[in-house]
Amino acid sequence: AQKITQTQPGMFVQEKEAVTLDCTYDTSDPSYGLFWYKQPSSGEMIFLIYQGSYDQQNATEGRYSLNFQKARKSANLVISASQLGDSAMYFCAMRGNTGNQFYFGTGTSLTVIP
Amino acid sequence: GAVVSQHPSWVICKSGTSVKIECRSLDFQATTMFWYRQFPKQSLMLMATSNEGSKATYEQGVEKDKFLINHASLTLSTLTVTSAHPEDSSFYICSAVPGTGLYNEQFFGPGTRLTVL
Repeated sequence: AQKITQTQPGMFVQEKEAVTLDCTYDTSDPSYGLFWYKQPSSGEMIFLIYQGSYDQQNATEGRYSLNFQKARKSANLVISASQLGDSAMYFCAMRGNTGNQFYFGTGTSLTVIP
Repeated sequence: GAVVSQHPSWVICKSGTSVKIECRSLDFQATTMFWYRQFPKQSLMLMATSNEGSKATYEQGVEKDKFLINHASLTLSTLTVTSAHPEDSSFYICSAVPGTGLYNEQFFGPGTRLTVL
């Protein structure tokens, strides 16, 4: 069975500082994909970054980077130089190769303080 | 980037009526579409997986007779909430996936907020 765990229901960060959002996962699939999505108050889900289980390097997309530690089964999202517009819910998700579904964590609410 | 539209964006209906929500992939063909339900401040709950030309696969606890899903083409899937009741009020989000590879991210529609009076 696939499981995604986000243990931080809420996080605060000062504007321009970096913040790490935690995500751990559990799967028996030999290969899988890990995703992070942002959901602002408008409700739309915005794709941020992807990490494949066999990727040798950690993924980066602009101010977003993924700290992938395969042995620990963690895929933490790092947001550098936080901006007020980063305030939103953030969801970690996983897709295995034994099914087509995506599995979501419970989310972390991030608030950027000016 | 790939765009998924959802219509309507919000709907208010009376208890007992049926409501149809459309999900369209505008610039790609979606082999699979997913339907999610989200309660306030909670995560997305997968309701069903919809593959074009075949019956939808419903998650455990989701009533297939209440939430009818039709994936008529590679660009359109519909969710019909039949005989809606106030407890069906929620935010419904669809997503579409262009392929089956692990990298194929899902592209989300903007969501439909359903309120049943």
